[in-house]
Amino acid sequence: AQSVSQHNHHVILSEAASLELGCNYSYGGTVNLFWYVQYPGQHLQLLLKYFSGDPLVKGIKGFEAEFIKSKFSFNLRKPSVQWSDTAEYFCAVEGTGGFKTIFGAGTRLFVKA
Amino acid sequence: GAVVSQHPSRVICKSGTSVKIECRSLDFQATTMFWYRQFPKQSLMLMATSNEGSKATYEQGVEKDKFLINHASLTLSTLTVTSAHPEDSSFYICSVSANTGELFFGEGSRLTVL
Repeated sequence: AQSVSQHNHHVILSEAASLELGCNYSYGGTVNLFWYVQYPGQHLQLLLKYFSGDPLVKGIKGFEAEFIKSKFSFNLRKPSVQWSDTAEYFCAVEGTGGFKTIFGAGTRLFVKA
Repeated sequence: GAVVSQHPSRVICKSGTSVKIECRSLDFQATTMFWYRQFPKQSLMLMATSNEGSKATYEQGVEKDKFLINHASLTLSTLTVTSAHPEDSSFYICSVSANTGELFFGEGSRLTVL
């Protein structure tokens, strides 16, 4: 069965610290991978996505993620976080061929000013 | 991208009553919409896939008679929680799938059943 695991439920960082949020998935076939972000009081919105090609994908606001197929991972990174990055981050996986999108449990990031 | 709006954003009702939540795709014709439920500190759990002009497809464990979904037009899907009970209290979110595979989400509806 398809599943997504996010390693950290809560992360607290100081501004300018580097960020890496782990995401591992379980699925036997080809996948599309996403990171969504939900800022306080706002809708969930797409941060970045991977469908094919370069496994290092860049998204909005300086975020990037690397797809490592052998590890079934799609970790999210940012070299230097800002207070405005405080939000909840969700990793999501869609099996290609029209399968549903499965979400991880989410990671709440709090960045101290 | 698509703009998705949900209404109401918050609703409180008495146990045994029914509550309807609307999900509108404001600028995108959505043949498919998705309904999720989110428990505190947990992930979004897909409840059902709403199909325009046909029956919704429910995920395993979701009672179709309790969570009625109607997708009467390309811009509107409704979720009705029938005979609501306190355990139905939750955050309900809808989304629309764009041709790019990206999901666009509504702002969510928080249901509290007393």
